[in-house]
Amino acid sequence: AQTVTQSQPEMSVQEAETVTLSCTYDTSESDYYLFWYKQPPSRQMILVIRQEAYKQQNATENRFSVNFQKAAKSFSLKISDSQLGDAAMYFCAYSQGGSEKLVFGKGTKLTVNP
Amino acid sequence: DTGVSQDPRHKITKRGQNVTFRCDPISEHNRLYWYRQTLGQGPEFLTYFQNEAQLEKSRLLSDRFSAERPKGSFSTLEIQRTEQGDSAMYLCASSTRTVNEQFFGPGTRLTVL
Repeated sequence: AQTVTQSQPEMSVQEAETVTLSCTYDTSESDYYLFWYKQPPSRQMILVIRQEAYKQQNATENRFSVNFQKAAKSFSLKISDSQLGDAAMYFCAYSQGGSEKLVFGKGTKLTVNP
Repeated sequence: DTGVSQDPRHKITKRGQNVTFRCDPISEHNRLYWYRQTLGQGPEFLTYFQNEAQLEKSRLLSDRFSAERPKGSFSTLEIQRTEQGDSAMYLCASSTRTVNEQFFGPGTRLTVL
């Protein structure tokens, strides 16, 4: 079974600084997708960024970028110029090609200090 | 706002009672998902519908759980004979195609006393 591991239960960053959240996954498949979701306190989960495994280029969305290391099965999220609104739980998720379900990690709680 | 909606947002029930939750997906989305999230954990997949057909169910979905999507629009998740271990946030999500973005609702928080 596929598993997703987030080794950092909590992280903190100063406003305007950069922070990297770690994620590793275990799969024997070659066709899959990786995601980072953000869950603010008492608010619904939203997609931050998505990466297709067949793409070598790392995905970028404004201040959010990933470092996708396929051989190492690593998928880290970098948040640049951190803002107070970035404070949330961040979940790394995996989906096998052809399957509909997302497999989530346990999450990393990010605190942004003013 | 035409996002995913869930009702109720909170439900407190006594052990042994039945509960039913409703999810209304984004109107043009034909795929609908249910997840369960317990404290300190990421969401866990429960089941998935494409239109009205239930195409995948997790082993987490015991016989006490049943989900329906009768007309391919809203969905209901029923838990019979609730147990304290059923206490969790139940999340619904919808999407338009495989592995596209899943849009999540606010969840229904269930507390079983």
